Amino acid sequence: SQQGEEDPQALSIQEGENATMNCSYKTSINNLQWYRQNSGRGLVHLILIRSNEREKHSGRLRVTLDTSKKSSSLLITASRAADTASYFCATGHNAGGTSYGKLTFGQGTILTVHP
Amino acid sequence: DAGVIQSPRHEVTEMGQEVTLRCKPISGHDYLFWYRQTMMRGLELLIYFNNNVPIDDSGMPEDRFSAKMPNASFSTLKIQPSEPRDSAVYFCASSQADYNSPLHFGNGTRLTVT
Repeated sequence: SQQGEEDPQALSIQEGENATMNCSYKTSINNLQWYRQNSGRGLVHLILIRSNEREKHSGRLRVTLDTSKKSSSLLITASRAADTASYFCATGHNAGGTSYGKLTFGQGTILTVHP
Repeated sequence: DAGVIQSPRHEVTEMGQEVTLRCKPISGHDYLFWYRQTMMRGLELLIYFNNNVPIDDSGMPEDRFSAKMPNASFSTLKIQPSEPRDSAVYFCASSQADYNSPLHFGNGTRLTVT
């Protein structure tokens, strides 16, 4: 099953409002990443937060991570119509002796920002 | 940098035909991933390579699927024979060695098998 589960599945807001998306996961992680996907395009990396970090900012994006609750949230402040896209969380894990953690993606949240 | 380049962007083929998808990763990236995206199953990791060597192919659905990486700048995903249920968007992504590095995705190949 998917490691990360986003909530809500869809979110519709007006321009200028804030958008909050949540992600829950099941097993321990090394890092959690958020990606955006515009229609017909590949995923674009937004922000990465390590398991020993609690909060991270990048422009209008704010990500929090609560490892005790196995959850993360992505906040987009002062949303714009151009923020309309699908947003995915992805969790990275160590895979035995390998040095890289595979990323497992959730099903995504579809965000629609109305002008 | 041109980013991850995938070809073709769209592929329509008939059931039973061989399909080859191509990917050029970002220069200097040591890891390459193939993902498949469908509405029903979301994004699934099919296989990934480290320094051209396949590390984990547990996501490859069947023996009809195979992937190669003959050199650091090229990878292929082949489906032979193709079936309608293989219809999906296939993404290639690459990243640097550090496991905390983000993935860089190509724009995908939309495969339709009729």
